Amino acid sequence: AAGVIQSPRHLIKEKRETATLKCYPIPRHDTVYWYQQGPGQDPQFLISFYEKMQSDKGSIPDRFSAQQFSDYHSELNMSSLELGDSALYFCASSLAVGPGYGYTFGSGTRLTVV
Amino acid sequence: AQTVTQSQPEMSVQEAETVTLSCTYDTSENNYYLFWYKQPPSRQMILVIRQEAYKQQNATENRFSVNFQKAAKSFSLKISDSQLGDTAMYFCAFMKGDDKIIFGKGTRLHILP
Repeated sequence: AAGVIQSPRHLIKEKRETATLKCYPIPRHDTVYWYQQGPGQDPQFLISFYEKMQSDKGSIPDRFSAQQFSDYHSELNMSSLELGDSALYFCASSLAVGPGYGYTFGSGTRLTVV
Repeated sequence: AQTVTQSQPEMSVQEAETVTLSCTYDTSENNYYLFWYKQPPSRQMILVIRQEAYKQQNATENRFSVNFQKAAKSFSLKISDSQLGDTAMYFCAFMKGDDKIIFGKGTRLHILP
């Protein structure tokens, strides 16, 4: 079965650089979520999209932005990177009509800022 | 705001034993969903089991079962006949309606040979 695809798997950036993370949801899933998981931490919600519109926003820094495109893939853009942005970034997708089934998570992008 | 509390940061059990992971949550909602997610060393987030709040029957998935006590806002996970592959971080999670999932801090479970 198709899963949520995230790219790249690993990314190393220097401070003040920009990073773009991509997420391809499961086909026919209309909702995408982004989470940030710091070392030894629980995943923290960043932002979500439903039908290409932002549906909810969590603790996402102003330096970050995201969007969902017409093919439902989503991109998380991170600018002026800081050391504290080093984390595992998860994307998850679901069907809005069946949220109680939980999300399907991608394998994550591990971002290291040096 | 909803909160999820996992009071056991770390646990260790022998292979083949039964282990129970605790979780409590706080909400004023009546309709919600509860989940247990497993995160092995690969860091993949894997859904283990889900429970709908309006269903009194406890969910079961093979060796995994839950004890859902709605009035007490408790949602514990029982793993029977534990296996080495069960070694992972386990997150209890809450979701109301079609809102975002909120995770607890996690319990690191070690299955010892």
